[in-house]
Formats: sequence, C-alpha cells, structure tokens
Amino acid sequence: AQTVTQSQPEMSVQEAETVTLSCTYDTSESDYYLFWYKQPPSRQMILVIRQEAYKQQNATENRFSVNFQKAAKSFSLKISDSQLGDAAMYFCAYRSDAGGTSYGKLTFGQGTILTVHP
Amino acid sequence: DGGITQSPKYLFRKEGQNVTLSCEQNLNHDAMYWYRQDPGQGLRLIYYSQIVNDFQKGDIAEGYSVSREKKESFPLTVTSAQKNPTAFYLCASSMTSGGQSGELFFGEGSRLTVL
Repeated sequence: AQTVTQSQPEMSVQEAETVTLSCTYDTSESDYYLFWYKQPPSRQMILVIRQEAYKQQNATENRFSVNFQKAAKSFSLKISDSQLGDAAMYFCAYRSDAGGTSYGKLTFGQGTILTVHP
Repeated sequence: DGGITQSPKYLFRKEGQNVTLSCEQNLNHDAMYWYRQDPGQGLRLIYYSQIVNDFQKGDIAEGYSVSREKKESFPLTVTSAQKNPTAFYLCASSMTSGGQSGELFFGEGSRLTVL
C-alpha cells in the first residue's frame, strides 16, 4: 500500500517571503499523480497543484510550484510571495494511475499547518 | 454553480444511535468518496463508489455503511458499531474517464460529535 508522509506538522512564514512544505511518499508503481490540497479554516479542501509522475517538468500554478524528485519519492511545495490568505493546512496526496478499483482513491499525508505572519 | 453539498454541517449524536450524513453533487461525476479527518491523521478513506449501485470499502469502513442509488447522491450512515465516531467527515467526487488526473472535488464537510 502507498503511504504519504509530511514530516512538518507546522510551518510559519513572513508575509511576502517564500516557504517550502515537504512531502515524501512510498510506492512501487511508476504511474501516478501527486497533489497538494489546501484546507483553510472554512475546512473546504481546495486543489492547489497537481503533478503527473510521467512528466519531468515541475508543475507551477502562479505563486505555487513543486519540486518533484521521482527517484527520491519527494514532492515538496514552494509558496512564493506568501500572503495572509495562504494560511491553512496543506495536504499532500497520492493517486495511483493503475486503473481498476484503485482509480480515484487518494492517499493523504498528515498535513502541515502553515501560519503566515504579517 | 456546480459543487458538492453536505448536510448537516454539525450533528450531535447520543451513543447507540445511527446517523446519516448527506452528500449531493451536481458535477455529473461518476465517482464519489467519503473521508474521515481526525487531528494529526490526515484524511482516511471510508467508502467509495465509482458507479451507481456499486461501492467498495476503504481503509476504515468498519462501523459505516453507504448506498449509491443515484449518481448524484452518496449518503453515509455512521452506525452504533463505530466505536469512535466523533470526527470531521468529508465527501468528495471525481471524474473516472480515462486521461483525467482524478482530482477530487470536496464538500464543506460535516462535523459529528457523539455526546
């Protein structure tokens, strides 16, 4: 079974600075997707960014980018120019692309609480 | 607007009672999921359904039951057999067609407290 580990329970950053959240995963599969989700105090989960394992290029969405190291099974999230609205819990998630009954099942890490200081 | 609606947002239950959490989606997604969220443990999959009238157990299905009679609806029943039901419950849905990343869309969640 796949596992996802977020080793940083809490992180903090000053407004306008850059912060990196860590995520590692364990899998024997070669085809999969990785995601970062944000959960603000309202508790609704919002997709931040996705990465296909077959793509070597790191995904980028505006101020959010990832550092995907497939061999190391590492998937970190970098938030540039941090804003107060970035404060939330962030979850890393893995989804197998093996198809069948596993399709769509996401395995989540434990989450990292990000605090942004003004 | 398309989305996922969960109800109720807050629910209190006495020990020994069954409760049902509602989840409705109008995104025309085939697959629906129920996750449980506890502090420090991330999200854990309870049940999921890829098609109407079919569903599979997730990692922590004991004490829970579901039905999928309509594409739009996937209610979760927390039975009295669930030993520690106090938690935050999240419903999600996704496309299942090929070529999709399988991104999940989430509802706002339901908080169940057992008194």
